[in-house]
Amino acid sequence: EIVLTQSPGTLSLSPGERATLSCRASQSISISYLAWYQQKPGQAPRLVLYGASNRATGIADRFTSGGSGTDFALTINRLEPEDFAVYYCQQHDTSPWTFGQGTKVEIK
Amino acid sequence: QVQLQESGPGLVKPSETLSLTCTVSGGSISGYFWTWVRQPPGKGLEWIGYIYYNGNTDSNPSLKSRVTISLDTPKNQISLKLRSVTAADTAVYYCARLGLGIPFDPWGQGTLVTVSS
Repeated sequence: EIVLTQSPGTLSLSPGERATLSCRASQSISISYLAWYQQKPGQAPRLVLYGASNRATGIADRFTSGGSGTDFALTINRLEPEDFAVYYCQQHDTSPWTFGQGTKVEIK
Repeated sequence: QVQLQESGPGLVKPSETLSLTCTVSGGSISGYFWTWVRQPPGKGLEWIGYIYYNGNTDSNPSLKSRVTISLDTPKNQISLKLRSVTAADTAVYYCARLGLGIPFDPWGQGTLVTVSS
């Protein structure tokens, strides 16, 4: 099983700042099968980014992602109030598909 | 626009079978993977398994012996059965679609299932 480890656990930032979230895999995966989801309290997760920085429908261009092999990152430029949430990385390269434990981006 | 809606009992007794249905509206089941994910209260996401529109399935080894995922194509529904449940199976259960090159999107709103006597 591929373990995804996200860091930091919590990121405390102010609106307008940049957030950089890390996702490290226990073995190499193709970026084509790496995705990022946003989840707000009481809501279902929402796809944000997938593959080589492909944004899901309705996702602002301040969201970007990248990486290769075992190290991946999600960057949110100029945080907006609606961006504060929990973010999960996920791989669907190798079964069982797995999620990271999540990074909470909170308002400082 | 495709929408997914989970439904089923919100309370299941220990040792019994959890049964949920995901109803797809605004689109067809054909051509996609349909997956189940769960989230215990206050915790992270766990992939349960998927079914492809042709009936092929895969599931998490941690649950494989207890999980059955099936399709009812005429009704545009995907079902999940989880046998011999315990309190550890208490979670919000989500269904989601996986397309060609596009991972889990959209998701259903989720349904909370509590395992308790």
